[in-house]
Amino acid sequence: DQQVKQNSPSLSVQEGRISILNCDYTNSMFDYFLWYKKYPAEGPTFLISISSIKDKNEDGRFTVFLNKSAKHLSLHIVPSQPGDSAVYFCAARGFTSGTYKYIFGTGTRLKVLA
Amino acid sequence: DTAVSQTPKYLVTQMGNDKSIKCEQNLGHDTMYWYKQDSKKFLKIMFSYNNKELIINETVPNRFSPKSPDKAHLNLHINSLELGDSAVYFCASSLGTSGNNEQFFGPGTRLTVL
Repeated sequence: DQQVKQNSPSLSVQEGRISILNCDYTNSMFDYFLWYKKYPAEGPTFLISISSIKDKNEDGRFTVFLNKSAKHLSLHIVPSQPGDSAVYFCAARGFTSGTYKYIFGTGTRLKVLA
Repeated sequence: DTAVSQTPKYLVTQMGNDKSIKCEQNLGHDTMYWYKQDSKKFLKIMFSYNNKELIINETVPNRFSPKSPDKAHLNLHINSLELGDSAVYFCASSLGTSGNNEQFFGPGTRLTVL
């Protein structure tokens, strides 16, 4: 039972255009969400986060939108650059058994074409 | 200057062997984690330690035993390796367990069991 889903395994975008990566979750108790970026042969690195009390968080070229009623979040990258080509994971925070835990999606591979 | 390091990066071994993966962080973090990324790309939490105490122990076979000699190290020992243990194992650390702190990941250890 995958509580965090990234239904698009891959996405290709032209350099300079907008990249939109999507993430859906099933547990309405999740209250904090993060996006990580992963290059080949490296571990994931933190990109941006959003609390469930907000619907938007922006950091430079990266913006995360949260739609709680739809249990959906998205990451917008604009303008996209070739260096953004990587796998992007979304993660959602839940509180169970007295501790916080992050549930990760399976990732979306973004390819930005020059 | 590596923040979270893992050794070895690659590990190829026969079924039935016992192996260890080491993890060290130089960030001064209190909390460390082990994740497993399987062939379907799910990144799943296995264990978490806070100040050398086990706080998350997912449903993982007891052939897997984490050991935290100090706050900066969290090693993973696997007994009687099975084919299904083949995966990439990521170590991570965070400042605390509040869940608002992003996790810093190591580069991963690709384990192949033959």
